[in-house]
Amino acid sequence: EIVLTQSPGTLSLSPGESATLSCRASQSVSSSYLAWYQQRPGQAPRLLIFGASSRATGTPDRFSGSGSGTDFTLTIASLEPEDSAVYYCQQYGGSPFTFGGGTKVEIK
Amino acid sequence: QLVLQESGPGLVKPSEALSLTCSVSGGSISTSSGYWGWIRQPPEKGLEWIGNIYYSGSTYYNPSLKSRVTMSVDTSKSQFSLILTSVTAADTAVYYCARPLRGTYYDAFDIWGQGTMVTVSS
Repeated sequence: EIVLTQSPGTLSLSPGESATLSCRASQSVSSSYLAWYQQRPGQAPRLLIFGASSRATGTPDRFSGSGSGTDFTLTIASLEPEDSAVYYCQQYGGSPFTFGGGTKVEIK
Repeated sequence: QLVLQESGPGLVKPSEALSLTCSVSGGSISTSSGYWGWIRQPPEKGLEWIGNIYYSGSTYYNPSLKSRVTMSVDTSKSQFSLILTSVTAADTAVYYCARPLRGTYYDAFDIWGQGTMVTVSS
């Protein structure tokens, strides 16, 4: 099973700043099958990025994904208040599919 | 557009079975996607993939739950279902049904139901 470790646990930033979220895998993620989700309180997760760097439909271009192998990054440029949420990475290149523990982004 | 809706009891007794259904509307369950999935989230915790089912009935379960999970699909009702047996308090969670982005097995989930909270308690 591929274990995904996300860091930091919490990010507290001001509007307009940029956020860098890390997702590290315990072994290489096949074909960069790595996704990022945003989850606001009381809501279902929303797919932001798939294939490590492809934006899902409706994802603002201030969200970008990068990385390969075992190290992946989600960057949120110019944070907006509605970006306050928990962000999860998920690998779907090997079964069982696994999720990281999440990074909480707080907007000051 | 495609909408998924989970339904089922909100309270299940320990050692009993949890049974949930996901209703698919806005498209055919057999043409809108090949695969369909279940994911759960315990309160204040992260996400756990339970398994995927192909519209023809083939199933793929998380090994950690495999001995207790059964998934099925009813194309005539445009529904797919989850049964989890011998539940304990550790199975208390919000259960989501979801559709993979391209309908394939190795895929991210782009359409999610709103989720249904299931509490295991006597």
